[in-house]
Amino acid sequence: AQRVTQPEKLLSVFKGAPVELKCNYSYSGSPELFWYVQYSRQRLQLLLRHISRESIKGFTADLNKGETSFHLKKPFAQEEDSAMYYCALRGAGGTSYGKLTFGQGTILTVHP
Amino acid sequence: GEEVAQTPKHLVRGEGQKAKLYCAPIKGHSYVFWYQQVLKNEFKFLISFQNENVFDETGMPKERFSAKCLPNSPCSLEIQATKLEDSAVYFCASSQGLANTEAFFGQGTRLTVV
Repeated sequence: AQRVTQPEKLLSVFKGAPVELKCNYSYSGSPELFWYVQYSRQRLQLLLRHISRESIKGFTADLNKGETSFHLKKPFAQEEDSAMYYCALRGAGGTSYGKLTFGQGTILTVHP
Repeated sequence: GEEVAQTPKHLVRGEGQKAKLYCAPIKGHSYVFWYQQVLKNEFKFLISFQNENVFDETGMPKERFSAKCLPNSPCSLEIQATKLEDSAVYFCASSQGLANTEAFFGQGTRLTVV
């Protein structure tokens, strides 16, 4: 079974501080990992995925297969980063194929 | 369209009434997914379609829930005889494929059963 855990429900930082949103997963194969963001009153949108290895809005995430983690990081948080962040996993085959499994979400608040 | 469109945005039903939610996927996307989010908690996968065909229905409750994706019509998720615990936000997503593609989400339909 696949599972995603985001241990922090709430995370508060000040503007300019580094931020790290934690995500751990369990999956027996090679998953695809994603970070989705939901800004206030907007739809869920893809922030980044591990296969593209790109940085979006200053955020990066590295897949650590040894630790089964996919933590989201940004060196200098901005107020506009305040949002709900979801880590998600997509299985590569079998009964998991195609569907996303989400973590519980972390509400990030960046204070001025 | 360019976005996944879900209607209605809000739906209130009395216990025992039927609820029907709609989702128009992005044009050209072959896959549609339905997720249920109760009380801003985890998203629970319900069902997926490949075009008009059910692809994976392992998340669908065995009773009362049904879904369809018919040609030239929005996809639909129907709940017969709603219960209080069906109150949730129901999200639809569409994608071109199952792997190495982005899933685009609609804004969700908030169902409140009173």
